[in-house]
Amino acid sequence: RKEVEQDPGPFNVPEGATVAFNCTYSNSASQSFFWYRQDCRKEPKLLMSVYSSGNEDGRFTAQLNRASQYISLLIRDSKLSDSATYLCVVKHNQGGKLIFGQGTELSVKP
Amino acid sequence: EPEVTQTPSHQVTQMGQEVILRCVPISNHLYFYWYRQILGQKVEFLVSFYNNEISEKSEIFDDQFSVERPDGSNFTLKIRSTKLEDSAMYFCASSNGLNNEQFFGPGTRLTVL
Repeated sequence: RKEVEQDPGPFNVPEGATVAFNCTYSNSASQSFFWYRQDCRKEPKLLMSVYSSGNEDGRFTAQLNRASQYISLLIRDSKLSDSATYLCVVKHNQGGKLIFGQGTELSVKP
Repeated sequence: EPEVTQTPSHQVTQMGQEVILRCVPISNHLYFYWYRQILGQKVEFLVSFYNNEISEKSEIFDDQFSVERPDGSNFTLKIRSTKLEDSAMYFCASSNGLNNEQFFGPGTRLTVL
């Protein structure tokens, strides 16, 4: 079983839509959780960290459910510039190694 | 804004040749990482480096791979005898703390023919 699993993509949505991505992780030693964004053939960039209490950054809301080992990302009022691949990432308490999911591709259309 | 840089942006090599991928981490960072991403696949951890030694490595990082911080600014990944399956994008990353954000460089695309 993959350590980090994400929704298969691609997601094709119109501008202004709300879109949700889901992710599950299998290792209970995972302690830190992130959503990264990756544009085509570019490096991953941190979108936001995910906290147990849930957190919001503008149009982006991240949720974590440790009991279910489930992470989500909600994007409201999607923009053309949100088109990218969204990567669910976990880190264990020991060490700095980031463990990436396969990514979910989002395409926002006019 | 400080950033991680990597050279070259694209490296083409013949199978069996040695390659060295170079990275300049952000100047006050202490933790350094290499990741790779085979086309169409997920980003995979290779190795982490702190205090002039490897702190963790993955199963991918076998005897053909080595890392070095030859001076105060560069961080290199060497592949001794490249294989076709080493073709991938290689990303360097750095952070100023174990639990701090890792900043990624733009990557080196390695093509092994």
